[in-house]
This record gives sequence, structure tokens and C-alpha cells, in this order.
Amino acid sequence: GEDVEQSLFLSVREGDSSVINCTYTDSSSTYLYWYKQEPGAGLQLLTYIFSNMDMKQDQRLTVLLNKKDKHLSLRIADTQTGDSAIYFCAENLALFYGNNRLAFGKGNQVVVIP
Amino acid sequence: NAGVTQTPKFRILKIGQSMTLQCTQDMNHNYMYWYRQDPGMGLKLIYYSVGAGITDKGEVPNGYNVSRSTTEDFPLRLELAAPSQTSVYFCASSYSETGIYEQYFGPGTRLTVT
Repeated sequence: GEDVEQSLFLSVREGDSSVINCTYTDSSSTYLYWYKQEPGAGLQLLTYIFSNMDMKQDQRLTVLLNKKDKHLSLRIADTQTGDSAIYFCAENLALFYGNNRLAFGKGNQVVVIP
Repeated sequence: NAGVTQTPKFRILKIGQSMTLQCTQDMNHNYMYWYRQDPGMGLKLIYYSVGAGITDKGEVPNGYNVSRSTTEDFPLRLELAAPSQTSVYFCASSYSETGIYEQYFGPGTRLTVT
């Protein structure tokens, strides 16, 4: 299967941390990604993690990967109003299609309250 | 570099009409993709191409056609528009040689079929 599961909506106060979760299906995925979509725009790669890593830190972003449970999370520290967007988790479908096809989750809408 | 560009930005079609959504990338990427995004449903892959002259079906190809005569261009054709094709369409491209398989997205075309 190619289902990537995400919850749909998160509201967070400016300055707080926000955590978005997803579960994926392809245990052969070599990379897992977080994309950000601002209103009226296309998706933009926010960060990614290689499948042999447990954690990746990138400024205010922390990605945690639990391969056993096929669980991926994104933590945004000190959330700012510019972080209001839809966040998509994606996996590359290495087992079925090679590395250049991605499966996307339904997205998490994050609303930052000033 | 302009990246991935799409035209038009918006379009309203009557049922049964045809149109072509244009997509161009100037990054010399070998892979190109067409997705549709329905509200709350994430992205679904329509068609993709691994290089000029080669195309393949994604998850939801019915009602669409593509061609890839050059590396830069990947137009999507709707022959007989139906209300079910009302959606936001995104074109993306990626380059297999980086090893990360990041996809770069265009700004999208919002299509309404009435």
C-alpha cells in the first residue's frame, strides 16, 4: 500500500512548539520528507531524513524517525506566524517504483495564533 | 532560474471542453510529474516522465494524457472535462543524480469544471 497517514489540523500559539506526526507504509523508503505549502502556492521541501537516521536537527526543525513503527514526526520550535501552512509528510516508494516516486500524506494544517 | 512554471493559474471549463495545462522547468531535471490536489486529500499522482519521450501512468490517470517531447516541457491534456476533474493541479520535477530525489513544485493551476 501507499498510504501515508496524517492528522488534519493543529492550532498553536506563537512561541510554542508544534509537533506534527505521520505514519508511512514502505519500509524500503530511503528518504522521508516534510513539505510545506503556504496558501495559494506549491509545495516546497522543508527538510528530509535519510532512513538510517533516527533524528535530524535543522535550526528550529527536529525530525524524528521510528523505523520500527514507521512513524515520522516534525517538531517546530518557537513557532512563528510564518509557519502557518499545510505540512505534508512524504515517502519515496523505493520498493515498488524506485526512488523517484513519492507518496504524500493528506497534510496537516497548522494555524499559528499570535 | 525560474524553476517550475505553470500556465494558466486559473481556468474555468464547461463540461466536455478540452484544455492543456502547460508545465516548463529550466533546471534540466530528468523527472517530471503531474499531481492533482483535492481538499483534504493530499496529492495524487496523475502521470510522470523519467525523460524525454518516456511517460507512465500514476495513481489517477483516467481522463488525462501527457507527452514529453523535450526535457523542459511536460503538458497535461484534458480531453473531455468532467466536474470530477475540478481540482488544483501541480507540476513537479526532480533530478535523480542528487540522491535525495527532492521534487520541485510549480505554483499550481486551479481548474473548475462546471
